[in-house]
Amino acid sequence: GENVEQHPSTLSVQEGDSAVIKCTYSDSASNYFPWYKQELGKRPQLIIDIRSNVGEKKDQRIAVTLNKTAKHFSLHITETQPEDSAVYFCAAHFLTGGSQGNLIFGKGTKLSVKP
Amino acid sequence: EAQVTQNPRYLITVTGKKLTVTCSQNMNHEYMSWYRQDPGLGLRQIYYSMNVEVTDKGDVPEGYKVSRKEKRNFPLILESPSPNQTSLYFCASRGLALNTGELFFGEGSRLTVL
Repeated sequence: GENVEQHPSTLSVQEGDSAVIKCTYSDSASNYFPWYKQELGKRPQLIIDIRSNVGEKKDQRIAVTLNKTAKHFSLHITETQPEDSAVYFCAAHFLTGGSQGNLIFGKGTKLSVKP
Repeated sequence: EAQVTQNPRYLITVTGKKLTVTCSQNMNHEYMSWYRQDPGLGLRQIYYSMNVEVTDKGDVPEGYKVSRKEKRNFPLILESPSPNQTSLYFCASRGLALNTGELFFGEGSRLTVL
């Protein structure tokens, strides 16, 4: 069925190190892949997204890569800071099957950045 | 200001007492969705709507109802709330032009059912 798998579920890094979160999706026709950050007690907010016609996108310390052949995309955070500590969700926009038109989320990754 | 507004933000109620959580967006978005969030379980989709009068079940629809009579509103109805529906609820909306619109979330509604 329609699915987005996200790994790892928890990630702990030292300040200044890099963090990588990976997601796979089941619908090969999916064309839009956003990442959301949710700080404690707040709503999820979009931090970066990528469309299927692009392989990589960067925004300062954050980057997302997409491998359409493998149906795999990743979030990369470099030079992590304590304020990067949050739960991160990946998502994919499904274009076929029972979830056509729906945005499906992964289960989230809790990132902890230790000072 | 573009926003998704949920009400109430906090509610304590008792088992069996019908309640409605309202959601309204001012961005003329076609797509709206409800999620519940419990500790360690991420965002679980309850219902979503692709446009007026079009609604579909998400992952956890049992015990909930929705309606989409107007484009801007997407209320979540709990006909007979039970304690296992105690949760944090988020409403969200996005435009569907080009299938790549950002999903905007409301601030959340924390519901406790005693």
